[in-house]
Amino acid sequence: AQSVTQPDIHITVSEGASLELRCNYSYGATPYLFWYVQSPGQGLQLLLKYFSGDTLVQGIKGFEAEFKRSQSSFNLRKPSVHWSDAAEYFCAVGLSGTYKYIFGTGTRLKVLA
Amino acid sequence: NAGVTQTPKFQVLKTGQSMTLQCAQDMNHEYMSWYRQDPGMGLRLIHYSVGAGITDQGEVPNGYNVSRSTTEDFPLRLLSAAPSQTSVYFCASSRTAIQGPTGELFFGEGSRLTVL
Repeated sequence: AQSVTQPDIHITVSEGASLELRCNYSYGATPYLFWYVQSPGQGLQLLLKYFSGDTLVQGIKGFEAEFKRSQSSFNLRKPSVHWSDAAEYFCAVGLSGTYKYIFGTGTRLKVLA
Repeated sequence: NAGVTQTPKFQVLKTGQSMTLQCAQDMNHEYMSWYRQDPGMGLRLIHYSVGAGITDQGEVPNGYNVSRSTTEDFPLRLLSAAPSQTSVYFCASSRTAIQGPTGELFFGEGSRLTVL
């Protein structure tokens, strides 16, 4: 069955430190991959997406993610975290040939001043 | 540009009551969907639609009905609310393509439902 795993429920980093949020997926075909961010009380906003081509994709707010097919991973990174990055982050897979998306359970990021 | 608009933002129901969560988008998106968000479970797809008159079930459809009479609107109906339906509900839309999901989902701000 298709699934998306975000192994870290909570992550705490200091402002200015680097960040990596992990995402692994299980899907037999080539996936469409997404990272979304959710601020408290808000809907989800797209950070970046991967459909094909260059496996390192750039997104908004200084985020990037790398698709590694051999590891079935799509980890999100940021070189220097800002206090405003505190939010919940969701990895998602779009299932090609269907109209369905599968979301991970989310990683809540806390940023220390 | 309004994007995806959900109403109401908050609702409290008693067990057995019915209600409709409204969702409207002004981006001419063919794809619309409803998710519920529960702690530790991420977002789970309830129902989706790829155009007016076309709907299909997602991962957790039981207890919910949908219809799509126009491109803009995609209401979610709870026929007989149960405490297990206490959740935050999100409507999302996207453009579609023949081969499946190719665009980002645009989300509403959510509707928090409590069933007593």
